[in-house]
Amino acid sequence: AQSVAQPEDQVNVAEGNPLTVKCTYSVSGNPYLFWYVQYPNRGLQFLLKYITGDNLVKGSYGFEAEFNKSQTSFHLKKPSALVSDSALYFCAVRGRPGDSNYQLIWGAGTKLIIKP
Amino acid sequence: ETGVTQSPTHLIKTRGQQVTLRCSSQSGHNTVSWYQQALGQGPQFIFQYYREEENGRGNFPPRFSGLQFPNYSSELNVNALELDDSALYLCASSLGVPGQGTEAFFGQGTRLTVV
Repeated sequence: AQSVAQPEDQVNVAEGNPLTVKCTYSVSGNPYLFWYVQYPNRGLQFLLKYITGDNLVKGSYGFEAEFNKSQTSFHLKKPSALVSDSALYFCAVRGRPGDSNYQLIWGAGTKLIIKP
Repeated sequence: ETGVTQSPTHLIKTRGQQVTLRCSSQSGHNTVSWYQQALGQGPQFIFQYYREEENGRGNFPPRFSGLQFPNYSSELNVNALELDDSALYLCASSLGVPGQGTEAFFGQGTRLTVV
């Protein structure tokens, strides 16, 4: 079965420290990869995506993500965390045209808490 | 803000009733998807519409149905509501042929509570 795993329910980081939110996937083919953020009682906001090319993708609010094909991972990173980064983060993947799956498949989410 | 608007923002219904949720896509977007997000979980794909036709469906029963209108706005209808239907329902719009690498833009969601 095709799936996305976010192995950590919660990540705690001190403000100013680097952060990493992990994502691994099990999807056939070469999927598109996305990160979204959700603030309380809000919809999902797009952060960044990997389509092709450079394995390091830069996105909104200083976030970046590293695609690793051999490890089927797409970890979200930020060099210096802000308290305002505290939110729920979701990794999602979508199959490419011609793949059996073209729907967004979502991880369960990781709650990121940045402490002052 | 994404330009995707959903109504209503909150709704309380009784088990067995029917509900209609509405979504106005971001201007120019021709694809709309609906998701169910239970508390503490990731979104679950319900279905997707492209140019007014259903383009894909997740593992939801037929009592979940939808429409997309010529202006690309959309409705999600749920019949015979069950307690487990209580969730945040998210609408997302995107531009282009489904399956491409374009990102989806989400509305703020409708919080449905079934009692």
